[in-house]
Amino acid sequence: AQSVTQLGSHVSVSEGALVLLRCNYSSSVPPYLFWYVQYPNQGLQLLLKYTTGATLVKGINGFEAEFKKSETSFHLTKPSAHMSDAAEYFCAVSSNSGYALNFGKGTSLLVTP
Amino acid sequence: DVKVTQSSRYLVKRTGEKVFLECVQDMDHENMFWYRQDPGLGLRLIYFSYDVKMKEKGDIPEGYSVSREKKERFSLILESASTNQTSMYLCASSPGSGRAFQTQYFGPGTRLLVL
Repeated sequence: AQSVTQLGSHVSVSEGALVLLRCNYSSSVPPYLFWYVQYPNQGLQLLLKYTTGATLVKGINGFEAEFKKSETSFHLTKPSAHMSDAAEYFCAVSSNSGYALNFGKGTSLLVTP
Repeated sequence: DVKVTQSSRYLVKRTGEKVFLECVQDMDHENMFWYRQDPGLGLRLIYFSYDVKMKEKGDIPEGYSVSREKKERFSLILESASTNQTSMYLCASSPGSGRAFQTQYFGPGTRLLVL
């Protein structure tokens, strides 16, 4: 079964510092990979996704992620954190059903002044 | 803009009550999903539907049922609410074509407290 593991349930960075949120996947077929963000008291919003083609994927709000098959990873990065980036981030992989997603447990990002 | 709406943001129910959570999407999406979100557990799939009157069990369907009588509406039913069903419930929808890589669009969530 397809699954993802997010390393670190809480990550704290200073404003202006690099953001790195880690996600490793397990999949028996070429995966489709997603990063979603959830701001307080809101639903999830797509940041970016990898389907096929270019392995470096750019998303909204300056985020990007690189699909590395050899490392089975899809880490999320942003060069310079902003206070507004504080949120819960979820990595997800397409499931066996081909319809639903299997989500990681989430990483809460705290940005300090 | 895709819009997914959920009937309530907050609900308080008593143990044993029958609870209905409603979700409506306005983008003519074929697929609709119900997840529950719990701290430290992420999102877990309860049920999904890929067409009107069609439904499939997700990872944690026990204690829940669903109904999809119209394409735009997907209801989650707690037949007899229990305290362990206290959670955040998220509805999502996605287009039918190319299923697995399509973006899912989420509603704002319903926070359910069962006393």
